[in-house]
Amino acid sequence: AQRVTQPEKLLSVFKGAPVELKCNYSYSGSPELFWYVQYSRQRLQLLLRHISRESIKGFTADLNKGETSFHLKKPFAQEEDSAMYYCALHPKGGSEKLVFGKGTKLTVNP
Amino acid sequence: DTEVTQTPKHLVMGMTNKKSLKCEQHMGHRAMYWYKQKAKKPPELMFVYSYEKLSINESVPSRFSPECPNSSLLNLHLHALQPEDSALYLCASSPGSGGLYEQYFGPGTRLTVT
Repeated sequence: AQRVTQPEKLLSVFKGAPVELKCNYSYSGSPELFWYVQYSRQRLQLLLRHISRESIKGFTADLNKGETSFHLKKPFAQEEDSAMYYCALHPKGGSEKLVFGKGTKLTVNP
Repeated sequence: DTEVTQTPKHLVMGMTNKKSLKCEQHMGHRAMYWYKQKAKKPPELMFVYSYEKLSINESVPSRFSPECPNSSLLNLHLHALQPEDSALYLCASSPGSGGLYEQYFGPGTRLTVT
């Protein structure tokens, strides 16, 4: 069965500090991996996906198949990055089901 | 129009009431989803429609009944709900089914069952 683990429920950093939100997955095949973000009072939205290898709002995430991880990183956190972040997995070639981790609430302090 | 809209924003209903949630998108997306989200928890998938046909039902109780009248609309009919069904109900859509596609989420309907 597919599973996504985000070990940190809460993460607090200071503005300008590096931030890393951890995501580990369990899936026997090749997954599609995503990071979704939910800012306060806003709808859930896609931040980035591993297949596009983009940097969005300064965030990057690299798929490490050996460690089955897809950690989200930003070198210099900003206050506006404060939000709930969900790592999500979609089995490649599988059904339409997106499996979410439990989420990490990031707070960036001034 | 690049948004998923949901109505109503808030809904309070008694356990004997019948109500419906509505979701609409005009992006030409062919897959639509209902999720349930409890406070401080991730969204839980309830139903998936692909090309207007129900393709996934995550063992949701029959008091929740989805309907897809056309490719732009998705309804969730509610009947005889329980207080534990109180949650934020999210609708999402994607251009197609499968993992290549981003899901676009609506703002949700906040449901309270009294």
